[in-house]
Amino acid sequence: QQQVKQSPQSLIVQKGGISIINCAYENTAFDYFPWYQQFPGKGPALLIAIRPDVSEKKEGRFTISFNKSAKQFSLHIMDSQPGDSATYFCAAPTGGGNKLTFGTGTQLKVEL
Amino acid sequence: GAVVSQHPSRVICKSGTSVKIECRSLDFQATTMFWYRQFPKQSLMLMATSNEGSKATYEQGVEKDKFLINHASLTLSTLTVTSAHPEDSSFYICSAWRGAYNEQFFGPGTRLTVL
Repeated sequence: QQQVKQSPQSLIVQKGGISIINCAYENTAFDYFPWYQQFPGKGPALLIAIRPDVSEKKEGRFTISFNKSAKQFSLHIMDSQPGDSATYFCAAPTGGGNKLTFGTGTQLKVEL
Repeated sequence: GAVVSQHPSRVICKSGTSVKIECRSLDFQATTMFWYRQFPKQSLMLMATSNEGSKATYEQGVEKDKFLINHASLTLSTLTVTSAHPEDSSFYICSAWRGAYNEQFFGPGTRLTVL
């Protein structure tokens, strides 16, 4: 069973600052690592994902950094905004096929 | 991204009744859908994998006779909570797998409250 360790559990960042969330995974032969954003009472939304043939992927203010040798990947949110306040989950493939195991989540609060 | 809908968004029922939740992929065909359960301030817990035209695969500890899953078409999966009890109250979320991109897209979730 794939384990995904996510940190920190909660994070407070000032508006305009950089939010950084980290995840570590166990052995995997698969090549897809997504991040999801979830607002209260809503389903998770796919935010950004990376395949380990690259070490970094950027989409707007969101960047994934991937370190295959260390089995770690992180989400960076540049110029954080109050609207980014949400819970973020990383995930990694598990059990073969297309199942995902999710991290424990990081509750981000961006203060004015 | 792809769109996945769930119905109903919220349901309140009496203990002992059954509740059906529908999950639809609106703009792509999904041979595989997943059902998750989420408790407040916790992560998503995979309950079962729903494959079109075949029996669902349940995760360890999930009662298949209590949580009936039917994936009758490439765009629709249903979860029926049978003989619901207060401990079944939770947020149920489905996702649809878009195979061409190996991505999962989630529905908006269904809040089930059993009185």
